[in-house]
Amino acid sequence: DGGITQSPKYLFRKEGQNVTLSCEQNLNHDAMYWYRQDPGQGLRLIYYSQIVNDFQKGDIAEGYSVSREKKESFPLTVTSAQKNPTAFYLCASSSLGGSNQPQHFGDGTRLSIL
Amino acid sequence: QQQVKQSPQSLIVQKGGISIINCAYENTAFDYFPWYQQFPGKGPALLIAIRPDVSEKKEGRFTISFNKSAKQFSLHIMDSQPGDSATYFCAASRTGANNLFFGTGTRLTVIP
Repeated sequence: DGGITQSPKYLFRKEGQNVTLSCEQNLNHDAMYWYRQDPGQGLRLIYYSQIVNDFQKGDIAEGYSVSREKKESFPLTVTSAQKNPTAFYLCASSSLGGSNQPQHFGDGTRLSIL
Repeated sequence: QQQVKQSPQSLIVQKGGISIINCAYENTAFDYFPWYQQFPGKGPALLIAIRPDVSEKKEGRFTISFNKSAKQFSLHIMDSQPGDSATYFCAASRTGANNLFFGTGTRLTVIP
């Protein structure tokens, strides 16, 4: 079954700690995205990547970092600089062609502060 | 600022009724308007999408109505079922852009 796998489902972060969220897709999509979802707000774009070894900042990139070493993988690191990291994080992928291509989402990682 | 405004925030509908969710946008360059459905603990899934060259698109019980002059679009769910209970997000984007702008979501509850 093709799809997007995010892990872990739940993650806890201590003060001053960096944590990394995993996102893997087997849809052969070139583009991948990271969104943050907060209650009462829509999804907000953190980072996106259209090709291996290249990525762009979204609207709320501060305090986050990404890498794209393989087409299938797009991990997100929430750094200690992100002062309000508690949220539901969603990874998505799509074919190239901009956001007009349907985006397929994983089932998310819920990050909380200890 | 919010690029796409969505209302209502929550909606309760009787089984068999019609659910209507509305969205409005300002950027006239937007030319792709998808709707996503999200169940608790899951990622959003694309439900239906429309481009501004048509005023309506129907897929089963789901219909998007699009009013280009008013810069508004809406989702109609006919014969609403308890299984439709979920959060619905509208979104908008423009050709060549990589950013999909989402509304704030509508939590729909369909009561039996």
